[in-house]
Amino acid sequence: GEKVEQHESTLSVREGDSAVINCTYTDTASSYFPWYKQEAGKSLHFVIDIRSNVDRKQSQRLTVLLDKKAKRFSLHITATQPEDSAIYFCAASWDMGYKLTFGTGTSLLVDP
Amino acid sequence: EAAVTQSPRNKVAVTGGKVTLSCNQTNNHNNMYWYRQDTGHGLRLIHYSYGAGSTEKGDIPDGYKASRPSQENFSLILELATPSQTSVYFCASGGSGTGGDNYAEQFFGPGTRLTVL
Repeated sequence: GEKVEQHESTLSVREGDSAVINCTYTDTASSYFPWYKQEAGKSLHFVIDIRSNVDRKQSQRLTVLLDKKAKRFSLHITATQPEDSAIYFCAASWDMGYKLTFGTGTSLLVDP
Repeated sequence: EAAVTQSPRNKVAVTGGKVTLSCNQTNNHNNMYWYRQDTGHGLRLIHYSYGAGSTEKGDIPDGYKASRPSQENFSLILELATPSQTSVYFCASGGSGTGGDNYAEQFFGPGTRLTVL
């Protein structure tokens, strides 16, 4: 089955800097890649996704890049703020979101 | 706003006991999911459902059963709880065609912290 590896377990940046979280996947059939955010002590919520028919998607300060050849995708956060501090999970799906395989999470700390 | 609720929020069980975790969603989503979250493993899918009466095995179904008696309710059942099932359990609804522009978005409940002694 699909395996998603999230390369950074922790990431610390200064407020205002950019942060990049990288993920790789194994199943070439995967075509949908969402990101979820979990703030301390809370549940997860969706932040952004990308489908395999594009290689870049931006939403405000968030950009997702997809490299299908390398089976790699990444979340870029610009102008980080303390409220960006959270655990970020990447995920992949071959059936357009019915069933997700999650990475292990990256704990992002934004120092004010 | 999507609404997924879980009960109980915290549960302490004894080894060998039966545990039922409940999930309710008011979004009229067809799909519902049960995950567990453990440090170092992220979220792992236990069971999911495409609609009332259906349950499907996820990636780690051993030791768990699921029940979907209605569109709104999805339960996770541990018939014989073991300490290795100590975890935080999340229910979610949605996936594929349910989130508007974010059409495959899953909406998560607040989680249930289960401790098996």
